[in-house]
Amino acid sequence: QSVLTQPPSVSGAPGQRVTISCTGSSSNIGAGFDVHWYQQLPGTAPKLLIYGNYNRPSGVPDRFSGSKSGTSASLAITGLQAEDEADYYCQSYDISLSGGVFGGGTKLTVL
Amino acid sequence: EVQLVESGGGLVQPGRSLRLSCAASGFTFDDFAMHWVRQAPGKGLEWVSGISWNSVSIAYADSVKGRFTISRDNAKNSLYLQMNSLRAEDMALYYCARSNRPVYPDSYMDVWGKGTTVTVSS
Repeated sequence: QSVLTQPPSVSGAPGQRVTISCTGSSSNIGAGFDVHWYQQLPGTAPKLLIYGNYNRPSGVPDRFSGSKSGTSASLAITGLQAEDEADYYCQSYDISLSGGVFGGGTKLTVL
Repeated sequence: EVQLVESGGGLVQPGRSLRLSCAASGFTFDDFAMHWVRQAPGKGLEWVSGISWNSVSIAYADSVKGRFTISRDNAKNSLYLQMNSLRAEDMALYYCARSNRPVYPDSYMDVWGKGTTVTVSS
C-alpha cells in the first residue's frame, strides 16, 4: 500500500485529454510539500516529467501539466500521443516518515 | 554528459550481504544530495534511502531501516548502498538518482541511472 494513492490505470484515444490523480495526506502533500511526476517508458529508467507541482523540465512538451490542491495533485496530458503510453508516478516528501514517498504508479494506455 | 552508473548487483542468498555502487560523472557531485530508489519486478517505485551532500543527513525507508546503510565518497564521486540481511522482498532493480538540492528532504530526482539488479534467492 503506497503512501500516495494513484489509479492503477487510465486510458484515452489519441488527441484526447487524460488526468492522473495523486492523493496524499496531511503528512505529505497536505503539509505543503511539493509533488513531482515521473514518466517511465517500458524497460527504461524513470524520467522527471513535472517538478514543484507544475514546472516542466526543459524538453518536456507543454502537453504535460501538473497541479496541486489540498492533499491531492494531478497530472494532465492533452493531445494524447502513442508515445505517451507509459507508467506515471507521483512523488513527494512525508514528514512522518522522514523520507520520500511515491505513488503506486498509473499505467497509461493510448487506445 | 551528466551520468549515473550503478554496479554491484547480482544473485545473493537470503540473509547475505551486497554492496551497490553508483558512479557519478558530468556534474559536481558534492553539490547534490543523492537517493536510492528500487523497483521490484512488475511493481512500482519505492524510495529506499537519501543522503545529503555532506553525509550529515541520512534517511531510510522503514522497510530497510537497520539493514541498509547509505554512504558517499565525494572525492570519488561515488554513492554506495550496503545491504545486509537481505530478504526475498529486497529483490528489485536498484536505481541511483540525483536530488535537485544539496539536501534530500522535499526534493525531486532529476537524474537517474539505468539501475542494477539484485536477486535474492537460495
